[in-house]
Amino acid sequence: ETGVTQSPTHLIKTRGQQVTLRCSSQSGHNTVSWYQQALGQGPQFIFQYYREEENGRGNFPPRFSGLQFPNYSSELNVNALELDDSALYLCASSPPGALKADTQYFGPGTRLTVL
Amino acid sequence: DQQVKQNSPSLSVQEGRISILNCDYTNSMFDYFLWYKKYPAEGPTFLISISSIKDKNEDGRFTVFLNKSAKHLSLHIVPSQPGDSAVYFCAVGSGNTGKLIFGQGTTLQVKP
Repeated sequence: ETGVTQSPTHLIKTRGQQVTLRCSSQSGHNTVSWYQQALGQGPQFIFQYYREEENGRGNFPPRFSGLQFPNYSSELNVNALELDDSALYLCASSPPGALKADTQYFGPGTRLTVL
Repeated sequence: DQQVKQNSPSLSVQEGRISILNCDYTNSMFDYFLWYKKYPAEGPTFLISISSIKDKNEDGRFTVFLNKSAKHLSLHIVPSQPGDSAVYFCAVGSGNTGKLIFGQGTTLQVKP
């Protein structure tokens, strides 16, 4: 059984650019959540996708957007990058019937550096 | 305004002894409580959870205690092993939102 995978592993961008991060959910999982983890902090919820629709959003501006595809993989897009967007971006998937904040299985993350 | 706090950034314990990690939360509406472990260069790994209708849940060496009146959550690891050395995050959730709110993490070091 393949776990949650994310790409790329590391990424360096400059301020003002746009970035797309990708996530493949664990086999059989249909819900994907994205989190931002700044250095020395816990992960912060960005948003969640279920059946290709956004199903809850944290306190992040509209320049953070996402997509979920029919195969349940997902993308996180960030426009007009700012220095404070530098962080580890984590994707987590949940199995069917686990819409509650019960257990989410995390990928290894994408380390984004904005210069 | 942090809704979930882990007030101890780090904890050092001797192998074989008990490790106790603590977590406080502010909102009594939370109904799911979880602990995750994170190694460097890996994503958080789910350890153990408890719902608001219970006050204790045990899984092998790991036990989670929930004190709803104090809005306090703790994780006990007995006996502690060097492989337990990692960053531990508590997380809380409510209802069907799927949103988890994490604490800042506690770095546990278990010395051989």
